[in-house]
Parts: sequence; C-alpha cells; structure tokens
Amino acid sequence: EVQLVQSGAEVKKPGESLKISCKGSGYSFTSYWIGWVRQMPGKGLEWMGIIYPGDSDTRYSPSFQGQVTISADKSISTAYLQWSSLKASDTAMYYCARLGYGVVDVWGKGTTVTVSS
Amino acid sequence: EIVLTQSPGTLSLSPGERATLSCRASQSVSSSYLAWYQQKPGQAPRLLIYGASSRATGIPDRFSGSGSGTDFTLTISRLEPEDFAVYYCQQYGSSSWTFGQGTKVEIK
Repeated sequence: EVQLVQSGAEVKKPGESLKISCKGSGYSFTSYWIGWVRQMPGKGLEWMGIIYPGDSDTRYSPSFQGQVTISADKSISTAYLQWSSLKASDTAMYYCARLGYGVVDVWGKGTTVTVSS
Repeated sequence: EIVLTQSPGTLSLSPGERATLSCRASQSVSSSYLAWYQQKPGQAPRLLIYGASSRATGIPDRFSGSGSGTDFTLTISRLEPEDFAVYYCQQYGSSSWTFGQGTKVEIK
C-alpha cells in the first residue's frame, strides 16, 4: 500500500525552530515529487513547495520562499519541512502529498503545528 | 502565477439534488493538469478528478468533471449524504501549483 506517514503534532513557542517529516512507503520514493501544503484553521489549501527526492530539486511557492526549507533524505524515504524561527501565524495543519503528473494522488494525514507563547 | 477562482463559495442543496461547481482560471490551464479534490472535516483531501475529466480510483460515477482552457466544472449528479464537504480545484503549469479557494457543499 502506498502511504505517506507524517510526524506527530507539535506545540512550539514563537522563535523556536521545527522540522516535521513525511515518510513514504509502498512505492519508489525517488521517482515522485513530494509537495507540502498548508491549511490554516478554517481556511483553504495553499501550496508551499515541492521536492524531487531523486535529485533534491526543490521549488518554492513565492509566498513561502525564504520562510521555510524543504529537504529530503532518500536513504530513508523521508521528506522534511522546517522552520528556523516560528511565528504564531505558522499555526496550521501541514500536509505532505505525492505528486503524479501534477496532481496529488496520495496525501499524508497531516501534522498539526501550534505556535503559542 | 495562475489564480483559480471557485464559485459559488457555498452551495446549499438537499440529498438527491444535482451540484454544479465552477473553477475559473486567470489564464489558460492544460486540461491534463486540472484536478478536483474533496475534503471532509478533520480529514486530508482526497483526489476525485484528474486530467479535468478522469475519475480517480474508487470514485463513484456520480462525480464528473468537464471543461477546458479557463473554465472547468465539477458535477455531482445526485448528492449522497457523504458528499457534503468542501471541494477544491487545483492546477499545475510552468512548475507552479495552485488551488482554488474552495466551494462548500452544505445540506439545505
């Protein structure tokens, strides 16, 4: 079964750093783009960026360029999304997603990130 | 960046009725890269339609997609209770991906 398993919920303070993960299984992890999608409370879906684990080619949505870092470790079939200094406005659900021909055919269950002092 | 505008924002219908959801792009989108997703509360989105009109695996035939260029439509022929949810269109082109803002289909 093709799966993306995301790391658990996080509660952080403003200014702290964070790295969340997304582990792929049941398929060739290096052959598909992985994307990260933000959903703020009660709001819609926003593309953050994507990475091709085969060669770590990474592309960011303009709104998120410089705000987050997307990476991958193909040896353990895992993609990452990280922040160096969290803000309260980073509070959201974050989904990782496998991209096939430009559309998401597999979604992770999401990681809730809460940033509060 | 291509902007996708969905309408209406909310659709209030009864089970058994037909739902028609619109997705309009700010510039032409390749039909090959236009998709629709369904999201229920507390769940990740689910792929319904890809390539503008192809149903994903396991999606009932009451869901259909159509359109080309800048205008795309998702139709639910007869609403079942489990179809009340939020629906998003999404496009991929020129190495950028965008979602529409969503249409909520609610029980009238």
